[in-house]
Amino acid sequence: EDKVVQSPLSLVVHEGDTVTLNCSYEVTNFRSLLWYKQEKKAPTFLFMLTSSGIEKKSGRLSSILDKKELFSILNITATQTGDSAIYLCAVHSGGYNKLIFGAGTRLAVHP
Amino acid sequence: EPEVTQTPSHQVTQMGQEVILRCVPISNHLYFYWYRQILGQKVEFLVSFYNNEISEKSEIFDDQFSVERPDGSNFTLKIRSTKLEDSAMYFCASRRDRDDYGYTFGSGTRLTVV
Repeated sequence: EDKVVQSPLSLVVHEGDTVTLNCSYEVTNFRSLLWYKQEKKAPTFLFMLTSSGIEKKSGRLSSILDKKELFSILNITATQTGDSAIYLCAVHSGGYNKLIFGAGTRLAVHP
Repeated sequence: EPEVTQTPSHQVTQMGQEVILRCVPISNHLYFYWYRQILGQKVEFLVSFYNNEISEKSEIFDDQFSVERPDGSNFTLKIRSTKLEDSAMYFCASRRDRDDYGYTFGSGTRLTVV
C-alpha cells in the first residue's frame, strides 16, 4: 500500500530557529513529491521535487529529495510567527497522478 | 493569479440528505480532483476526472458519491445520502495537463452532517 510518513507530527520553536521537517514515502509509480503549507483552509503550494539531490529554494524555505532513500526534507531558516502552519508532504503516484498525503507536521513558532 | 473557487464555504446538512458541493476550476485546466480532510486527519484522495469521465477513484468514493461537469466550467461533487462520517473539509483541485504537476486547490467546503 502506498504511504507517506511525516515527522515530527508537531514542533514548537521560537522565532529565529531553524527547523527541518521530514517526509518518507513508499509508493508505486513515483512521479514527484510536493510540499504544501496549510494555514486555515486550502493547502498552498511550496515546492515540487522530481530529481534527487537538487535543492529547491524560496526565500527562507528550501527542500531536497533523495529518491534512493525515498525521503525529502523541508528546511525553514530564521523562522517567523507567520511560518506557523501545518506542512504537508504529498507524493504523485499512479496513472492520473493522484496525490497521496502524509499526516502533516504542525509547526508553531512562538515570539 | 487564477484560483479554484468552491461554494459554499460551509454547509450544514441533516443525515440522509443529499448535498452538492460546487467547484469552478481554473479555466484552461483539464484534470480535476476532489479530496477530503476529516478534522485532524490526512488529506485523502476521492476521485479524479478527465475528459468528462472519472479516471480514478478511491475506496471512499462509493455509490453514494458522484461527480459531474455539467456545463464546462463547474465541477460538482454530490453525496446522495449523507452520513455523520461524511463530515469533513472537501477540497477541489485542478491542474493544467498531464505534465503539469502543480495542483491548485480551492479553499474548501466544510461539510457538517448532523
